[in-house]
Amino acid sequence: DQQVKQNSPSLSVQEGRISILNCDYTNSMFDYFLWYKKYPAEGPTFLISISSIKDKNEDGRFTVFLNKSAKHLSLHIVPSQPGDSAVYFCAAKGGYGGSQGNLIFGKGTKLSVKP
Amino acid sequence: NAGVMQNPRHLVRRRGQEARLRCSPMKGHSHVYWYRQLPEEGLKFMVYLQKENIIDESGMPKERFSAEFPKEGPSILRIQQVVRGDSAAYFCASSSSQGVGKVIQYFGAGTRLSVL
Repeated sequence: DQQVKQNSPSLSVQEGRISILNCDYTNSMFDYFLWYKKYPAEGPTFLISISSIKDKNEDGRFTVFLNKSAKHLSLHIVPSQPGDSAVYFCAAKGGYGGSQGNLIFGKGTKLSVKP
Repeated sequence: NAGVMQNPRHLVRRRGQEARLRCSPMKGHSHVYWYRQLPEEGLKFMVYLQKENIIDESGMPKERFSAEFPKEGPSILRIQQVVRGDSAAYFCASSSSQGVGKVIQYFGAGTRLSVL
């Protein structure tokens, strides 16, 4: 049972345009959401996070939007650059039993930005 | 380099051998997490540790896998009697213990385990 879903395995965008990566979740108790970027043979790199009490967070070219009623979040990258080509993972944290320390990851979306 | 350090980067073992994966957290971080990634999959949580304590091991297989984070030295993920299905990338992450810093986990480059 996947609690965090990224339904698009891949996305191709032209350089300079907007990239929109989507993520859906099922557990309404999650209290934080994070986006990570991963290059091949490297570890995930933290990009941006959002608390469940917010609906938007912005950091430079990256903006994350959270729609709690739809249990949906998205990452916008504007403008997209070839160096943004990587796999992007959505992750959610906490709000349910246990230690609330671990992150639950989606399967990732491979973004290709074409020059 | 003050980032999360994992070694070795690549580890090859034959079936039945033991694998030891090491992780030194980011400077100032006292929380360590281990994740496993199979091909074409996301990262799956295995275990969450603080110094000398296992906080949550709900993602660890019941047998052959163990983890520790001693008072001194790196965190160790140990896999005994490895099988081919253990072949994966193992990532360690660390976080601060305070406030929002506790939310963000910073990852190492991973150890790629291949079982022959």
